[in-house]
Amino acid sequence: DQQVKQNSPSLSVQEGRISILNCDYTNSMFDYFLWYKKYPAEGPTFLISISSIKDKNEDGRFTVFLNKSAKHLSLHIVPSQPGDSAVYFCAAKEGGSEKLVFGKGTKLTVNP
Amino acid sequence: GAGVSQSPRYKVAKRGQDVALRCDPISGHVSLFWYQQALGQGPEFLTYFQNEAQLDKSGLPSDRFFAERPEGSVSTLKIQRTQQEDSAVYLCASSSSGRYNEQFFGPGTRLTVL
Repeated sequence: DQQVKQNSPSLSVQEGRISILNCDYTNSMFDYFLWYKKYPAEGPTFLISISSIKDKNEDGRFTVFLNKSAKHLSLHIVPSQPGDSAVYFCAAKEGGSEKLVFGKGTKLTVNP
Repeated sequence: GAGVSQSPRYKVAKRGQDVALRCDPISGHVSLFWYQQALGQGPEFLTYFQNEAQLDKSGLPSDRFFAERPEGSVSTLKIQRTQQEDSAVYLCASSSSGRYNEQFFGPGTRLTVL
């Protein structure tokens, strides 16, 4: 039973436009959320995170929004660049636990 | 090295063989994690160490899977009597103490069981 869901397996956007990646979760005990980016044959690399006490966190071109009532978070990338093309994983941590629970990932392609 | 390293990068095993996968975490990182990533899926948690203590092994799929970190640094994930469904990428991650510290991942070991 998937506790973290990324319902879009893929997304394609034009360079310079906004990329929006979505993530839904079912476990109300999750209190910390993260986005990881993964290139082929490499391990995931941390992008940005948000605590459940916030609704927005921004870092350069990357912004994560959290809507707790809807159990939904999104990652906005603006402007998108071809180097952003990768698989993006949403992950969550439950209070009192160290393990990450991942979604299945969304493959982002940014076209020049 | 600066990052998490894993060896071997690729491993092919015949069904029934035992395999051992190694993880070298970032120096000084207290926490170490193992995840399994099947094709087309996200990483799934296997087990977690704080120093040499295995604090959570709830994700290990069967008693054929065993992990250790005897000196609180290098860790080994051992799979006995491998089966085809064990084929996956095995990812190791490490982090410093503190629950909001990010986990740094290694490149993974791709295990193929024939």
